[in-house]
Amino acid sequence: DSGVTQTPKHLITATGQRVTLRCSPRSGDLSVYWYQQSLDQGLQFLIQYYNGEERAKGNILERFSAQQFPDLHSELNLSSLELGDSALYFCASSVVPGGGSPLHFGNGTRLTVT
Amino acid sequence: DQQVKQNSPSLSVQEGRISILNCDYTNSMFDYFLWYKKYPAEGPTFLISISSIKDKNEDGRFTVFLNKSAKHLSLHIVPSQPGDSAVYFCAASAKYSNDYKLSFGAGTTVTVRA
Repeated sequence: DSGVTQTPKHLITATGQRVTLRCSPRSGDLSVYWYQQSLDQGLQFLIQYYNGEERAKGNILERFSAQQFPDLHSELNLSSLELGDSALYFCASSVVPGGGSPLHFGNGTRLTVT
Repeated sequence: DQQVKQNSPSLSVQEGRISILNCDYTNSMFDYFLWYKKYPAEGPTFLISISSIKDKNEDGRFTVFLNKSAKHLSLHIVPSQPGDSAVYFCAASAKYSNDYKLSFGAGTTVTVRA
């Protein structure tokens, strides 16, 4: 158990809809990261927060947004969903941002857009 | 952009033999390299890392080798065990301004045959 909790585990929704994915980081970790894994693809970095502030952005679409709350949990909002947004979305946390500090991943949310 | 590449999508090895996973990168700014292991329906878990100032790091059955001139690293698993069957991701970290970004390869699926 990594200590990172992601909810829900599965989400099925229709095109054009909006969903929210939730992540609770490991106790004591201040950095939260969001990654997207599409079929047979690697992990694509979306966005990183550190202690409530956005620190780095990857290939995150404008239809996607995220935030980290004062209690350090984070939410990833996906809107105007398209079929291509179907993927596994992972949240990870670490004590400090990057470097050799390993990330601890949750078990992911599988999003299916129909 | 694929700054981290794992060119072998799969590897099959007999139990007890050595598994060698390869990873190539293009960004000379990467200063840490990490390997993650992922079982189905779970998030990736940290396995081993190496700093760019080293050329080898060993942890039990796992050894990572770094060849900076060739921009290549490899993970050796000796001896391979059935429980090692999983997807292995190579990742590399680089510092941008005050933040680090972690880039992942597409993964190599290892199957250990009894």
